[in-house]
Amino acid sequence: DAGVIQSPRHEVTEMGQEVTLRCKPISGHDYLFWYRQTMMRGLELLIYFNNNVPIDDSGMPEDRFSAKMPNASFSTLKIQPSEPRDSAVYFCASSPSGLVWSVGYNEQFFGPGTRLTVL
Amino acid sequence: EDQVTQSPEALRLQEGESSSLNCSYTVSGLRGLFWYRQDPGKGPEFLFTLYSAGEEKEKERLKATLTKKESFLHITAPKPEDSATYLCAVRLPDSGGGADGLTFGKGTHLIIQP
Repeated sequence: DAGVIQSPRHEVTEMGQEVTLRCKPISGHDYLFWYRQTMMRGLELLIYFNNNVPIDDSGMPEDRFSAKMPNASFSTLKIQPSEPRDSAVYFCASSPSGLVWSVGYNEQFFGPGTRLTVL
Repeated sequence: EDQVTQSPEALRLQEGESSSLNCSYTVSGLRGLFWYRQDPGKGPEFLFTLYSAGEEKEKERLKATLTKKESFLHITAPKPEDSATYLCAVRLPDSGGGADGLTFGKGTHLIIQP
């Protein structure tokens, strides 16, 4: 299995531009998570989906951020308009569902991340 | 209010020098505590899940333990390839709005010198 795939790996853009980050989860995983990592705040959950449905978006910082999951194999995180404070590494992770106490429950598999720089 | 606190922030050890990393949490009704390893430029890699106080898990030179208030990641006779940032995370109680995402600590940056 190729693991979680993210693109692009690096993105440099100017303030005010629209940015779209992409993620392909591991096949068969029911959960998809978007996280953001900065030196100051560490790794923070932005939003997650279960069976393509957004479950909790309370971590999305502002209305400038939006996420979609049109099908089980693809998700996007969009920032419009982007600002310098959005600069961070954005990770996508996926996870299988299962019994609460089963092996692998909620073990999240992370992608390599997208390093976003907003100038 | 931090719900997950890791200490120390950074730790430098000599090869073979055993030590422990700490993760304390203020969550009640924990639904799992997770340890991840993160190498520079990569995503976190899963190590362990612990569910109840007294539980222990081992993998090579690493052993994770859990009490009601904290978890320890013990590293025995570490090697340079164990150098990484180690992240602790908790799965919060389900408040009805969905709580399957993880809340991470800021990590411990571990360096093992040859």
